[in-house]
Order: sequence, then C-alpha cells, then structure tokens
Amino acid sequence: QKEVEQDPGPLSVPEGAIVSLNCTYSNSAFQYFMWYRQYSRKGPELLMYTYSSGNKEDGRFTAQVDKSSKYISLFIRDSQPSDSATYLCAMSANTGNQFYFGTGTSLTVIP
Amino acid sequence: NAGVTQTPKFRILKIGQSMTLQCTQDMNHNYMYWYRQDPGMGLKLIYYSVGAGITDKGEVPNGYNVSRSTTEDFPLRLELAAPSQTSVYFCASRGQGYGYTFGSGTRLTVV
Repeated sequence: QKEVEQDPGPLSVPEGAIVSLNCTYSNSAFQYFMWYRQYSRKGPELLMYTYSSGNKEDGRFTAQVDKSSKYISLFIRDSQPSDSATYLCAMSANTGNQFYFGTGTSLTVIP
Repeated sequence: NAGVTQTPKFRILKIGQSMTLQCTQDMNHNYMYWYRQDPGMGLKLIYYSVGAGITDKGEVPNGYNVSRSTTEDFPLRLELAAPSQTSVYFCASRGQGYGYTFGSGTRLTVV
C-alpha cells in the first residue's frame, strides 16, 4: 500500500468554479501536511501547510485535514485560469523526517 | 535571492556515461534533498542531507551518489547511466520551517 494516494485526474473546470483536491494516507503518525503547486516544466512551489487536524485558509485556498479518516483536501474558490497546474500533497510524521508526496492531480481551469 | 539553482536544465546521456547534477542554494538551509519525478509516479526521494558532511539514502538511491562538503552545494552523481534513470530531477532545500524550496529541475534522457 502506498503511503499517500492521490487521484491523478485530469480535472477540468470552468473559471469561477470551486475545486476540491484530495489525498488519502495510510500512516496514522503523519501530522504535517503540505500542498504544492507545480506549473508545467517548473519545480513545485509551496502553497499551504497545516499541522495536525483542522482547517487553514489563505485567500482563495483552504486546506483541510481529517486525521480520523486519514484524508486531506485543498479547496480553491473562484478558480482562475492561472490556477491551471498540477497539485501535489505531501506529508510527514515529523519535520525532520522524509515527506511523502502524492502523485499529483492535474487541474485545468477553462476561461 | 536566487533560491535553489540547478544545472544543467537539460542533458542527454549515452548508456554507461556518467555525469554530475549540480545544486546550489543561497538560503543557508541545512536540509537538502534530491528527488526524481517520473510521469504518474510522483516525487521519489533519492538522497538527502541534514547538514554539511552528512548524507543519507532515500527511497531510490541505487545508481546515484551524493556529497555535501558545504552548506550551499549538494551535487548528485550518476555513475554508469541507464535508461531507467531517464527522469526529471529536482533538488530542494528546507530551513527550520516546513516547506521545501525546489529548484527548476534537470531533464535527463539516457539513450
């Protein structure tokens, strides 16, 4: 069983839609969770990070963690064509340890 | 700040050749990482370092070597290149916070 599972998509939505991106994981010790955005032919860039359970909001982006279900989500409100990218989740039990990445979900926002 | 700089951006190697992928960061980060990214497979950790003079293997270290003689530099060495090493290679660094800073990647093709 993979440490982190992420639906690769592709996901295609109209501009202005709410986007939901999700990851599941198997290791109950994970408590640090991150979301990265990767544009084509670029390196991933950190979007959001959360510790333990709960929600975190930053502008149009909201990250949710449900540790009881081993499930994390990233919501994008009022999606824009500039949000078109691959989104990767990453998680770890401890910041000193390796972070495990999902395979990424490809998102296209259509104008 | 330049962040994390990787060179070269592209390279074609013949089977059996060797090369070094360069990675330099100017953020005084202690942690540095090498990942490879294959389509549909996500990011796989090759090697990592927690500081100058200290390196350790990740998930997929076979066929690679690293060294960390300074805080800034973390080169990745490929010996006897094989077609299975065709991939996009990302170097990343991390300070005391959670997030990784990635370089822009090296696209390597082994023919």
